[in-house]
Order: sequence, then C-alpha cells, then structure tokens
Amino acid sequence: SAVISQKPSRDICQRGTSLTIQCQVDSQVTMMFWYRQQPGQSLTLIATANQGSEATYESGFVIDKFPISRPNLTFSTLTVSNMSPEDSSIYLCSVGHSNQETQYFGPGTRLLVL
Amino acid sequence: GEDVEQSLFLSVREGDSSVINCTYTDSSSTYLYWYKQEPGAGLQLLTYIFSNMDMKQDQRLTVLLNKKDKHLSLRIADTQTGDSAIYFCAESPAGGGNKLTFGTGTQLKVEL
Repeated sequence: SAVISQKPSRDICQRGTSLTIQCQVDSQVTMMFWYRQQPGQSLTLIATANQGSEATYESGFVIDKFPISRPNLTFSTLTVSNMSPEDSSIYLCSVGHSNQETQYFGPGTRLLVL
Repeated sequence: GEDVEQSLFLSVREGDSSVINCTYTDSSSTYLYWYKQEPGAGLQLLTYIFSNMDMKQDQRLTVLLNKKDKHLSLRIADTQTGDSAIYFCAESPAGGGNKLTFGTGTQLKVEL
C-alpha cells in the first residue's frame, strides 16, 4: 500500500481566509481524490485531481471554492477558499490506480473555522 | 444516485463476535469495501470483496455479500477493545481508481 502524508494535520482558521492542504504520496499513482468528512458524517467526494489538467468536481463542489492542483503523479493540493464555519471538516486525500482494486487514504487534515 | 446505508451504533462485549451490516442500492457496484476510522485518525482499508464473490475471510474478519439483496456484512471474530472505531462500507463501480460512495458509518463500541 502507498504511504500518504498530509500537511497540515490540523488548523484553526478565521472566516474569510483560505487554507491550502498538501497531499504527498511515496510512489507514483494514477488517481488522487479529495474527500470531505463533516463532523459526525460520512465521507463525500469533492473532486478527482487530474495530473496536468483541471480537476473533475462532484455535484455541489466548485473550482472557485475548492481549487485543486496536481502537478505530478505524487503530489496534490486542495485549497479551501474564503472559509466559513460550515467548512469545518476533515479533508482527506486518497490514492488509487485505474487498474487496481484498492484505494488508500491519508491521515486527514482537521480544519476548524471560527 | 447511489445510496449506502448502515446502522449507526453497535455495542458488543469483548470476546464476542461483531456483525456490521450495510445495504446499497447501486446494482452496478463491482467492488465493496470496509474501512475503519479510529478517533482522530484517517481511514484504514480493512478488506474488500469483488461482486462475483459471496464470502471473503481474512484472519478475524469475514465479509459476506448477498448481491441479490444488495447486502454486505463484516463479521469481526473475538472482538477486542482495539476494535472500537467507526466502520464504513463503501462501493465502487470499477475499483480503487474510481469514486467511492460511502455508507453512513457504524460506531462499534467494545465493552469489557
């Protein structure tokens, strides 16, 4: 399985500011995803991070609010823009390969917006 | 769209077996997964099953799949206090390189 790290592991932010979360994998992966887990809730996919092109967003999520970069096959960033308290969540990146069965998750970034 | 449901809570005594259930609606689900989330941690992949199987065993874990009823279960034998966590089932139409749709999560509490 891949070793996935995320930075920061947690943060407390003021409303109206933006936070960029980094996801680093120890090996090249085909697919990288960003999920959100709101307090006490399940995980919801925000977007698929595509290497060298714009991310593919799920319904209800837009690029202006959650810009994503993926400059190579081992790294991606998610920015949470113009934050409000409703953005307080755990943000998790995950990785997989298009020809494999498994998807692995990073440790998550715990965000609290005041 | 896809819908994956789980019961919210399960409490068992240490040493007993735990059975966590999951139902899904998407008939095109090809892979079904069980993840474990301990407090303050990310998601750990426990096991998964391909839709052409009806059972998979991995040490203390047994996964049963009833594809006709779209019902998945995870049995943990000899449950220990370290098994206390939230367990999520998830489904994918085409494996790990695709979007996972998660269930609501089941909080397992193991009592002494």
